[in-house]
Amino acid sequence: ETGVTQTPRHLVMGMTNKKSLKCEQHLGHNAMYWYKQSAKKPLELMFVYNFKEQTENNSVPSRFSPECPNSSHLFLHLHTLQPEDSALYLCASSQEDSPGSYNEQFFGPGTRLTVL
Amino acid sequence: AQKITQTQPGMFVQEKEAVTLDCTYDTSDQSYGLFWYKQPSSGEMIFLIYQGSYDEQNATEGRYSLNFQKARKSANLVISASQLGDSAMYFCAMGMNYGGSQGNLIFGKGTKLSVKP
Repeated sequence: ETGVTQTPRHLVMGMTNKKSLKCEQHLGHNAMYWYKQSAKKPLELMFVYNFKEQTENNSVPSRFSPECPNSSHLFLHLHTLQPEDSALYLCASSQEDSPGSYNEQFFGPGTRLTVL
Repeated sequence: AQKITQTQPGMFVQEKEAVTLDCTYDTSDQSYGLFWYKQPSSGEMIFLIYQGSYDEQNATEGRYSLNFQKARKSANLVISASQLGDSAMYFCAMGMNYGGSQGNLIFGKGTKLSVKP
């Protein structure tokens, strides 16, 4: 595997289900991200993990719970979701260097989530 | 507040012609980075080009160039010699130092580019 991989690619779940999204990066990066992409809205940053520590949580509801066990893996645990949570969930990784440098993020193919 | 604005929801271009996708940004920071990403219908975001706020020359990557006008806070993407495979959504994004993380990106709403044969 190369780049950033995400599983599953598609997920349909009921509002009472518990599921997890998985992301793995094979690039040796030290930062990983979860984004939500809804129709007709800009990409929304949900969580940032830098050196395995969560450094950002953009007021995301607690029904979304991230986990970063190591610098290569990132999970998004889902429970009691709402239909409005249906979206494409994208994972990304980057190499965080010294202040003043900005490195591109490499994205996975996303998980298309539908909440019934 | 930091913001990215893409005013063109959709654009059409004839194959082999050049096209400019507009992007304006708003920030009070002096140090930031500007990115363009391409998202085909498959969903994956593909990095195209980067411009640093202190870079004096416009960035170029193959057929992509970034027309950076700092005083106007614009970072337009120019695609030369359009190809059918360029049909996709294009997102402008700004990277900022926020909460200690350099990598935080703010995205615009995107422009859907359609290349006509």
